[in-house]
Amino acid sequence: GAVVSQHPSWVICKSGTSVKIECRSLDFQATTMFWYRQFPKQSLMLMATSNEGSKATYEQGVEKDKFLINHASLTLSTLTVTSAHPEDSSFYICSARDPRYSSYNSPLHFGNGTRLTVT
Amino acid sequence: TQLLEQSPQFLSIQEGENLTVYCNSSSVFSSLQWYRQEPGEGPVLLVTVVTGGEVKKLKRLTFQFGDARKDSSLHITAAQPGDTGLYLCAGALRLAGNTPLVFGKGTRLSVIA
Repeated sequence: GAVVSQHPSWVICKSGTSVKIECRSLDFQATTMFWYRQFPKQSLMLMATSNEGSKATYEQGVEKDKFLINHASLTLSTLTVTSAHPEDSSFYICSARDPRYSSYNSPLHFGNGTRLTVT
Repeated sequence: TQLLEQSPQFLSIQEGENLTVYCNSSSVFSSLQWYRQEPGEGPVLLVTVVTGGEVKKLKRLTFQFGDARKDSSLHITAAQPGDTGLYLCAGALRLAGNTPLVFGKGTRLSVIA
């Protein structure tokens, strides 16, 4: 079945540094990927929609200059947290739909997430 | 504002008991999906409901979509410790393949042996 791979699964970084998270669709091409953030014991909050070959669409309240999204190919989207601060510590999850079943009803396939800890 | 209200947020029950989780909204959804998430992992799809009034069964889990497509419920019969996890309802508002899902806050279920 469709698989979405996310890397790294966890990362610890110092305040002020940048961290890049990769999201790959392994057996399908994804023109659109979605990035979510999940704080402890909370639900998933959509951060942005990543569009292959064009700019990402950010949700209200998400700083596009802080969370840089690049979707340069049909199988890879990256999220870079720039100048990370402790409040950016969270669980970041990417997802995509398999275009072979592409409709609003088809499920999202999620990566296993990246736990970011900023010290 | 939370588009999807999920209740209860936390539920701790004994093995063998039944439970129901609710997902409500004032908006009409084209479809609703239920996911289950284990700690440190991404959510995994359980079911998609599309038609108002639809009922789907997955072993001991029964999912229902409200007639007006604004609410859904998940009923678990004879819960087992393996059912422990975070259950999330999610919906698509727009009719397009690039539509993201909006998630409820989740119900954290703990089944005690």
